[in-house]
Amino acid sequence: AQKVTQAQTEISVVEKEDVTLDCVYETRDTTYYLFWYKQPPSGELVFLIRRNSFDEQNEISGRYSWNFQKSTSSFNFTITASQVVDSAVYFCALNNSGGYQKVTFGTGTKLQVIP
Amino acid sequence: GAGVSQSPSNKVTEKGKDVELRCDPISGHTALYWYRQSLGQGLEFLIYFQGNSAPDKSGLPSDRFSAERTGGSVSTLTIQRTQQEDSAVYLCASSLDGGHEQYFGPGTRLTVT
Repeated sequence: AQKVTQAQTEISVVEKEDVTLDCVYETRDTTYYLFWYKQPPSGELVFLIRRNSFDEQNEISGRYSWNFQKSTSSFNFTITASQVVDSAVYFCALNNSGGYQKVTFGTGTKLQVIP
Repeated sequence: GAGVSQSPSNKVTEKGKDVELRCDPISGHTALYWYRQSLGQGLEFLIYFQGNSAPDKSGLPSDRFSAERTGGSVSTLTIQRTQQEDSAVYLCASSLDGGHEQYFGPGTRLTVT
């Protein structure tokens, strides 16, 4: 069975603050993929990043960075110098590999950036 | 290029009626996914297609739900004898292949009265 836990239901920060969204996952597979998606108020989910289980290298993309640690089964997402446009619901997801694909999403973290 | 499209965008139906939801994936994407998102909730995985095949249908909530994909492209999700608890946004996504990033459609908001 797979499970994704996003313990933070809602977070509010003031613009320009840094914020970290937590994601903890469970899987028995040795090969899997982890994702983050953003769902803005308009509703449509947008892909942010994909990581495979063999690549623990952290990644930075502009103000976004991701920290993948297999030892703690975590894939955390940090937004530096947050902006109002970052306000959205952020989902972490786990995709097993192989023919019987199953994708498990966390329950999401609603981020509100206050101007 | 064109993204994932879904139709209808909104559907209001009476309890007990059947509904059919349609998804047009991105051209060339072999993998297609259906999810259900209830108000303020996360995404519930329903089914995955690789080509026209769905290896695992255990995510479908009940036997009133069925899905098919033809020509490796368009997919339909059918809900028979709709119930009020079926009210949700149904999202479709496609990806180049299983395990790759998914591109989501705008969803179909289903309301069962």
